[in-house]
Formats: sequence, structure tokens, C-alpha cells
Amino acid sequence: AQKITQTQPGMFVQEKEAVTLDCTYDTSDPSYGLFWYKQPSSGEMIFLIYQGSYDQQNATEGRYSLNFQKARKSANLVISASQLGDSAMYFCALQRAGSYQLTFGKGTKLSVIP
Amino acid sequence: DVKVTQSSRYLVKRTGEKVFLECVQDMDHENMFWYRQDPGLGLRLIYFSYDVKMKEKGDIPEGYSVSREKKERFSLILESASTNQTSMYLCASSWTGGNYGYTFGSGTRLTVV
Repeated sequence: AQKITQTQPGMFVQEKEAVTLDCTYDTSDPSYGLFWYKQPSSGEMIFLIYQGSYDQQNATEGRYSLNFQKARKSANLVISASQLGDSAMYFCALQRAGSYQLTFGKGTKLSVIP
Repeated sequence: DVKVTQSSRYLVKRTGEKVFLECVQDMDHENMFWYRQDPGLGLRLIYFSYDVKMKEKGDIPEGYSVSREKKERFSLILESASTNQTSMYLCASSWTGGNYGYTFGSGTRLTVV
């Protein structure tokens, strides 16, 4: 069975500072994908970043980067230069190769302080 | 702009009613999914579909059924709504192949009274 663990129910960060949101996963599959989604108060889930298990480099998308440590089974999201609009719920998700289902963590609520 | 549309943003239904939640996507995606989201529990998969008229149970299918008569439409049915089905319901779709996960709808917040 697959499992995603997000141990931080809520976090605060000062505007313009960097923040790391933790995600650990458990899977026995050799090939898998890891996703991060953002959910603002409006409710819509927004795709942020993807990392494949065989990717040699950590994924980056603008201010978002994924700190992928395969041996530790962690896939932490790093947001640089936080903005007020980054205040939202953030979900980590795991997808097995050949499967179209995503398994989600319970989420982390990030609050950016002016 | 491609998207997934859920027919209702908010719904209030009575216990015992049959409830239909509709989801339509315009991206020609093969796969469609229904999740429910509850505080502290994250997103849990109810049902999914890989093709027209095809459905598979997710992690929490009890009390729900689905229908996919056309590729673009995936309906979630609560046969007899109960108060413990009060939740946010999220529909999503994806391509077969590719590593870009899901495109989500805006969600339907259902309250059963």
C-alpha cells in the first residue's frame, strides 16, 4: 500500500522568506511520481510541481522547487520569497507508474505573514 | 481555457434524498475521478473511471455510485444521502500517459441536513 505523510498541519512564514513543506512517502514500487498541489481558499486545486522517481535532478518551477531525497523517501516543497498569495493548503501526492490514481497526504496549511 | 466543471458550488440536501453531482471536462481526458475532502483527512478517492461505461472503486466507495455514459461527463450519485456525507467533493480528470497529474474542478460543498 502507498502512503503519503505530511507532518505539519499548519505553518507560518514571513513574507519574502523561504519556507519548506515536508512530505514523506512509502511505496515499494521502483517507479513512481510525486506531485504538489496548492488549494487556495477558493477551493480549486492547482498543480505546482512534479518529480519522477528516476529524474536525476530536483524539479523546479519558478519559485517552487522540490527537494527530492529518494533514499529517505522525502519530497519536500520549497517556496522561495514567499508572497501573501501563497497562503493556502498544500498537498503532496504519490502516483504509481502505470496507475492513474493519486494518493494524497492530509495537507499543510501555510499562512504568509506581512 | 481547458477546464473541469462541477455543476454546483454549494448544495444542501435532506437526509435520505438521492443526490447527483455532475462533472464535465472539455480536455478529452480518458480518466476521471471523484474525491471527497474533509479537514484533517486530506483527499480520499471514492470512484474513478478509465473509459466510458467503466468504473472502479476507490478507497471509500460505500454509499456512493457513479455513472459515465459519455467521455466528458462523470456523475457521482449518493443513493440515500446521510449527514456523514457532508463534505467537499472534488472531481478531476487526467490523460492516459504523461506525468502531469490531474486537472481539478472547483469543488462542490455538499451539506446534508
